[in-house]
Amino acid sequence: NAGVTQTPKFRVLKTGQSMTLLCAQDMNHEYMYWYRQDPGMGLRLIHYSVGEGTTAKGEVPDGYNVSRLKKQNFLLGLESAAPSQTSVYFCASSPQDGLAGHEQYFGPGTRLTVT
Amino acid sequence: AQSVSQHNHHVILSEAASLELGCNYSYGGTVNLFWYVQYPGQHLQLLLKYFSGDPLVKGIKGFEAEFIKSKFSFNLRKPSVQWSDTAEYFCAVRIYNTDKLIFGTGTRLQVFP
Repeated sequence: NAGVTQTPKFRVLKTGQSMTLLCAQDMNHEYMYWYRQDPGMGLRLIHYSVGEGTTAKGEVPDGYNVSRLKKQNFLLGLESAAPSQTSVYFCASSPQDGLAGHEQYFGPGTRLTVT
Repeated sequence: AQSVSQHNHHVILSEAASLELGCNYSYGGTVNLFWYVQYPGQHLQLLLKYFSGDPLVKGIKGFEAEFIKSKFSFNLRKPSVQWSDTAEYFCAVRIYNTDKLIFGTGTRLQVFP
């Protein structure tokens, strides 16, 4: 049981390049989330999904797109990377709301640098 | 908009000192409350959570937190910290019946032997 995994762990992009970050979970969770973590700003929600085939915008969605074609995977895309997107990206998942109290389980993170 | 405030940005303690980290939120309705910890180079892990019932919640590694509804607070405490508690601590709030967590900006704790 691997929990939440993210690939890649590190990436360096040049301005204008595109890339996709992959998040996978093996806990059969309904909900998945993408956050970015920046010094002094905590975690900010980029996009999230409440089920296969659904996505919704979070607090800072501009410049990112997501897809949830399979329940276990949640992809985050950067179409044209900018230096302001240099950050650590965390994926999380949680079961459908219930007694679990909506606890989120986090992946190990992807450190992205845009030059 | 709802927000979560962690007023202590950086706390430095010696081993065996007592710890209290503040967390306040701005929402008058029902909430679920969480404290997460991020050890250096690692991902976030749940320390404890308040869902309902007893407002004093005990978590892993000797941590506890008290939900005081009248003060909109959920402060994290530990009576005696260890060097291994050095980490960043995040408070998070979920507004009841929403799908999202709102995180505070985090408190960096350094514990010296």
